[in-house]
Amino acid sequence: NAGVTQTPKFQVLKTGQSMTLQCAQDMNHEYMSWYRQDPGMGLRLIHYSVGAGITDQGEVPNGYNVSRSTTEDFPLRLLSAAPSQTSVYFCASSYEFAARGEQFFGPGTRLTVL
Amino acid sequence: KNQVEQSPQSLIILEGKNCTLQCNYTVSPFSNLRWYKQDTGRGPVSLTIMTFSENTKSNGRYTATLDADTKQSSLHITASQLSDSASYICVVSLANQAGTALIFGKGTTLSVSS
Repeated sequence: NAGVTQTPKFQVLKTGQSMTLQCAQDMNHEYMSWYRQDPGMGLRLIHYSVGAGITDQGEVPNGYNVSRSTTEDFPLRLLSAAPSQTSVYFCASSYEFAARGEQFFGPGTRLTVL
Repeated sequence: KNQVEQSPQSLIILEGKNCTLQCNYTVSPFSNLRWYKQDTGRGPVSLTIMTFSENTKSNGRYTATLDADTKQSSLHITASQLSDSASYICVVSLANQAGTALIFGKGTTLSVSS
């Protein structure tokens, strides 16, 4: 099993550009989440999904969109990138609710917005 | 307010020595407490998950303790190795939550030198 994979690993954008961060898992997990990690702060939840076709907002959802058309994939879209979105983004999946089940994290995407 | 505080912020120890990292939380209702290890440039990896009724849990040279009465946890690393150099993140989960259940600490950065 590859676990949780993310692409790209690094990305540089200009303000106003859009892009999609890809996340895939091969563990047949229902629950998937997107987090951002900024220096001096704990991971913060952006969006999450409890199954295909079901998504919801986390703590910091503004400026991001998600969709979940399959169990395996959970892409994160930046509609109009801003410098405040410079961060490291992690995708995670779990078999149970995040509160109960062990979460498996991807390797991260380091995004810089100029 | 639900919070997770970790101390120290950073720590430097010699290879072969033991160390203890602290985590205090004010999270209610409590479901479980996790410790993650995050190597530089990688995603967090789960070390232990403890529920309310568990006082101690080990994973090789890593031993986590939980005192639910005082809302404190510690992670003890025995006979440290260079590969233990990483950030250690304490995470507390809220009961009765779906996706928005995890409260992340800011982490303790451990450096093991030879």
